[in-house]
Amino acid sequence: AQSVSQHNHHVILSEAASLELGCNYSYGGTVNLFWYVQYPGQHLQLLLKYFSGDPLVKGIKGFEAEFIKSKFSFNLRKPSVQWSDTAEYFCAVNGGPGRRALTFGSGTRLQVQP
Amino acid sequence: ETGVTQTPRHLVMGMTNKKSLKCEQHLGHNAMYWYKQSAKKPLELMFVYNFKEQTENNSVPSRFSPECPNSSHLFLHLHTLQPEDSALYLCASSQEGRQGGTGELFFGEGSRLTVL
Repeated sequence: AQSVSQHNHHVILSEAASLELGCNYSYGGTVNLFWYVQYPGQHLQLLLKYFSGDPLVKGIKGFEAEFIKSKFSFNLRKPSVQWSDTAEYFCAVNGGPGRRALTFGSGTRLQVQP
Repeated sequence: ETGVTQTPRHLVMGMTNKKSLKCEQHLGHNAMYWYKQSAKKPLELMFVYNFKEQTENNSVPSRFSPECPNSSHLFLHLHTLQPEDSALYLCASSQEGRQGGTGELFFGEGSRLTVL
Protein backbone atom coordinates (compact mmCIF):
# COMPACT_ATOMS: atom_id res chain seq x y z
CA ALA A 1 0.00 0.00 0.00
CA GLN A 2 1.06 3.57 -0.62
CA SER A 3 2.40 5.48 2.38
CA VAL A 4 3.47 9.10 2.75
CA SER A 5 5.91 10.34 5.38
CA GLN A 6 6.32 13.90 6.53
CA HIS A 7 9.30 14.07 8.80
CA ASN A 8 8.70 17.42 10.45
CA HIS A 9 5.62 17.51 12.64
CA HIS A 10 6.03 21.03 13.99
CA VAL A 11 8.29 23.71 12.57
CA ILE A 12 8.80 27.16 14.09
CA LEU A 13 10.47 29.85 11.99
CA SER A 14 10.96 33.56 12.13
CA GLU A 15 9.71 35.74 9.30
CA ALA A 16 12.06 35.85 6.30
CA ALA A 17 13.58 32.49 7.16
CA SER A 18 13.74 29.84 4.47
CA LEU A 19 11.48 26.82 4.63
CA GLU A 20 11.88 23.25 3.51
CA LEU A 21 9.36 20.56 4.47
CA GLY A 22 10.18 16.97 3.69
CA CYS A 23 7.85 14.46 2.06
CA ASN A 24 8.64 10.90 1.05
CA TYR A 25 6.36 8.30 -0.44
CA SER A 26 6.65 4.59 -0.88
CA TYR A 27 5.21 3.59 -4.26
CA GLY A 28 7.80 3.24 -6.99
CA GLY A 29 5.52 3.56 -10.00
CA THR A 30 3.91 6.56 -11.66
CA VAL A 31 2.56 9.01 -9.13
CA ASN A 32 0.89 12.39 -9.00
CA LEU A 33 2.07 14.54 -6.11
CA PHE A 34 0.40 17.33 -4.20
CA TRP A 35 0.92 19.76 -1.38
CA TYR A 36 -2.18 21.05 0.39
CA VAL A 37 -2.33 23.80 2.99
CA GLN A 38 -4.85 24.28 5.77
CA TYR A 39 -4.89 27.76 7.33
CA PRO A 40 -6.38 27.99 10.82
CA GLY A 41 -10.13 27.50 10.65
CA GLN A 42 -10.14 27.09 6.87
CA HIS A 43 -10.53 24.25 4.40
CA LEU A 44 -7.74 22.29 2.81
CA GLN A 45 -6.63 24.00 -0.37
CA LEU A 46 -4.19 23.08 -3.08
CA LEU A 47 -0.77 24.70 -2.88
CA LEU A 48 0.85 22.97 -5.86
CA LYS A 49 0.87 19.75 -7.81
CA TYR A 50 3.13 17.62 -9.98
CA PHE A 51 1.91 15.29 -12.71
CA SER A 52 4.79 15.13 -15.18
CA GLY A 53 7.43 17.25 -16.88
CA ASP A 54 9.70 19.69 -15.09
CA PRO A 55 10.33 18.22 -11.62
CA LEU A 56 10.48 21.70 -10.09
CA VAL A 57 6.95 22.99 -9.75
CA LYS A 58 5.80 26.38 -8.59
CA GLY A 59 2.64 26.98 -6.67
CA ILE A 60 0.75 29.80 -5.12
CA LYS A 61 2.17 32.31 -2.63
CA GLY A 62 5.80 31.73 -3.62
CA PHE A 63 5.94 28.04 -2.76
CA GLU A 64 7.73 25.49 -4.90
CA ALA A 65 8.41 21.79 -4.68
CA GLU A 66 10.92 19.48 -6.27
CA PHE A 67 10.16 15.92 -7.33
CA ILE A 68 13.19 13.66 -7.01
CA LYS A 69 12.13 10.27 -8.31
CA SER A 70 15.27 8.45 -7.18
CA LYS A 71 14.64 9.58 -3.62
CA PHE A 72 10.85 9.14 -3.69
CA SER A 73 10.67 12.70 -2.42
CA PHE A 74 8.61 15.82 -3.05
CA ASN A 75 9.91 18.48 -0.69
CA LEU A 76 8.21 21.83 -0.30
CA ARG A 77 10.25 25.02 -0.21
CA LYS A 78 9.83 28.74 0.21
CA PRO A 79 12.82 31.11 0.28
CA SER A 80 11.30 33.59 2.73
CA VAL A 81 8.29 32.82 4.89
CA GLN A 82 5.75 35.30 6.16
CA TRP A 83 3.60 35.31 9.27
CA SER A 84 0.60 34.56 7.03
CA ASP A 85 2.18 31.23 6.06
CA THR A 86 1.33 29.89 9.53
CA ALA A 87 -0.72 26.81 8.70
CA GLU A 88 -0.66 23.05 8.45
CA TYR A 89 0.87 21.57 5.32
CA PHE A 90 -0.02 18.16 3.93
CA CYS A 91 1.79 16.16 1.31
CA ALA A 92 -0.39 13.78 -0.73
CA VAL A 93 0.22 11.17 -3.37
CA ASN A 94 -2.06 9.61 -5.90
CA GLY A 95 -0.92 6.29 -7.19
CA GLY A 96 -0.24 2.77 -6.17
CA PRO A 97 -1.95 -0.54 -6.77
CA GLY A 98 -5.73 -0.35 -6.56
CA ARG A 99 -5.76 3.13 -5.12
CA ARG A 100 -7.25 6.09 -6.92
CA ALA A 101 -7.79 8.37 -3.96
CA LEU A 102 -5.06 10.50 -2.44
CA THR A 103 -2.94 9.17 0.39
CA PHE A 104 -1.95 11.93 2.80
CA GLY A 105 0.95 12.40 5.13
CA SER A 106 0.37 13.29 8.77
CA GLY A 107 0.95 16.97 8.16
CA THR A 108 3.47 19.56 9.30
CA ARG A 109 2.37 22.43 11.45
CA LEU A 110 4.29 25.57 10.52
CA GLN A 111 4.37 28.45 12.96
CA VAL A 112 5.94 31.68 11.71
CA GLN A 113 6.85 34.19 14.37
CA PRO A 114 6.80 37.88 13.48
CA GLU B 1 -16.13 29.49 -1.13
CA THR B 2 -14.74 26.10 -2.07
CA GLY B 3 -17.45 24.67 -4.29
CA VAL B 4 -17.93 21.91 -1.76
CA THR B 5 -20.40 22.63 1.02
CA GLN B 6 -20.66 20.58 4.19
CA THR B 7 -23.39 20.72 6.82
CA PRO B 8 -23.52 20.89 9.72
CA ARG B 9 -20.21 22.53 10.50
CA HIS B 10 -20.39 21.35 14.11
CA LEU B 11 -22.24 18.41 15.59
CA VAL B 12 -22.38 17.08 19.13
CA MET B 13 -24.07 13.74 19.63
CA GLY B 14 -24.46 11.05 22.22
CA MET B 15 -23.41 7.50 21.64
CA THR B 16 -26.99 6.35 21.06
CA ASN B 17 -27.96 9.10 18.63
CA LYS B 18 -28.42 8.85 14.88
CA LYS B 19 -27.30 11.80 12.80
CA SER B 20 -26.15 12.51 9.27
CA LEU B 21 -23.50 14.66 7.67
CA LYS B 22 -24.25 16.19 4.30
CA CYS B 23 -21.97 17.23 1.48
CA GLU B 24 -22.84 18.98 -1.76
CA GLN B 25 -20.46 19.86 -4.56
CA HIS B 26 -21.12 22.54 -7.17
CA LEU B 27 -18.11 21.78 -9.37
CA GLY B 28 -19.64 19.27 -11.75
CA HIS B 29 -17.33 16.53 -10.51
CA ASN B 30 -18.15 12.84 -10.71
CA ALA B 31 -16.30 11.49 -7.70
CA MET B 32 -16.83 12.23 -4.02
CA TYR B 33 -14.95 11.23 -0.90
CA TRP B 34 -15.17 11.13 2.87
CA TYR B 35 -11.97 11.61 4.85
CA LYS B 36 -11.51 11.62 8.63
CA GLN B 37 -9.06 14.12 10.12
CA SER B 38 -7.92 13.43 13.67
CA ALA B 39 -5.26 15.32 15.58
CA LYS B 40 -1.68 14.29 14.79
CA LYS B 41 -2.77 11.57 12.36
CA PRO B 42 -2.80 11.46 8.57
CA LEU B 43 -6.08 12.12 6.84
CA GLU B 44 -7.82 8.77 6.69
CA LEU B 45 -9.74 7.90 3.57
CA MET B 46 -13.12 6.42 4.49
CA PHE B 47 -15.19 6.08 1.34
CA VAL B 48 -14.96 6.86 -2.35
CA TYR B 49 -17.85 7.19 -4.74
CA ASN B 50 -17.14 7.30 -8.44
CA PHE B 51 -20.07 7.86 -10.79
CA LYS B 52 -22.35 7.26 -7.76
CA GLU B 53 -20.86 3.82 -7.15
CA GLN B 54 -18.86 3.08 -4.06
CA THR B 55 -15.38 2.16 -5.25
CA GLU B 56 -13.52 2.17 -1.94
CA ASN B 57 -14.46 1.36 1.62
CA ASN B 58 -11.34 1.65 3.69
CA SER B 59 -12.31 -0.85 6.42
CA VAL B 60 -14.64 1.63 8.01
CA PRO B 61 -16.83 0.37 10.89
CA SER B 62 -20.46 -0.21 9.99
CA ARG B 63 -21.58 2.53 12.38
CA PHE B 64 -20.60 4.84 9.51
CA SER B 65 -22.89 4.42 6.51
CA PRO B 66 -22.37 6.45 3.34
CA GLU B 67 -25.00 7.34 0.79
CA CYS B 68 -24.51 8.91 -2.62
CA PRO B 69 -27.87 9.56 -4.30
CA ASN B 70 -26.31 11.45 -7.21
CA SER B 71 -22.92 12.77 -8.25
CA SER B 72 -23.47 16.09 -6.46
CA HIS B 73 -24.53 14.86 -3.04
CA LEU B 74 -22.90 12.65 -0.46
CA PHE B 75 -24.10 11.74 3.01
CA LEU B 76 -22.48 10.06 5.98
CA HIS B 77 -25.03 8.47 8.28
CA LEU B 78 -23.85 8.05 11.86
CA HIS B 79 -25.25 5.74 14.52
CA THR B 80 -24.04 4.35 17.85
CA LEU B 81 -20.73 6.15 17.55
CA GLN B 82 -17.90 5.98 20.05
CA PRO B 83 -16.03 8.89 21.65
CA GLU B 84 -12.95 8.00 19.58
CA ASP B 85 -14.98 8.82 16.47
CA SER B 86 -14.79 12.49 17.41
CA ALA B 87 -12.91 14.19 14.57
CA LEU B 88 -13.21 16.53 11.64
CA TYR B 89 -14.95 14.80 8.76
CA LEU B 90 -13.96 16.16 5.38
CA CYS B 91 -15.80 15.78 2.13
CA ALA B 92 -14.00 16.18 -1.15
CA SER B 93 -14.74 15.89 -4.83
CA SER B 94 -12.74 15.35 -8.00
CA GLN B 95 -13.16 14.81 -11.71
CA GLU B 96 -12.23 11.27 -12.65
CA GLY B 97 -12.09 9.39 -15.92
CA ARG B 98 -13.13 5.76 -16.27
CA GLN B 99 -9.47 4.76 -16.02
CA GLY B 100 -8.75 7.11 -13.14
CA GLY B 101 -7.79 10.74 -12.85
CA THR B 102 -5.14 13.07 -11.57
CA GLY B 103 -6.36 12.69 -8.01
CA GLU B 104 -6.68 16.42 -7.38
CA LEU B 105 -9.23 16.90 -4.64
CA PHE B 106 -11.38 19.88 -3.75
CA PHE B 107 -12.33 19.93 -0.08
CA GLY B 108 -15.18 21.26 1.94
CA GLU B 109 -14.60 23.01 5.26
CA GLY B 110 -15.46 19.91 7.24
CA SER B 111 -17.93 18.88 9.89
CA ARG B 112 -16.51 18.87 13.41
CA LEU B 113 -18.05 15.91 15.24
CA THR B 114 -17.95 15.44 19.00
CA VAL B 115 -19.27 12.20 20.45
CA LEU B 116 -20.08 12.31 24.15
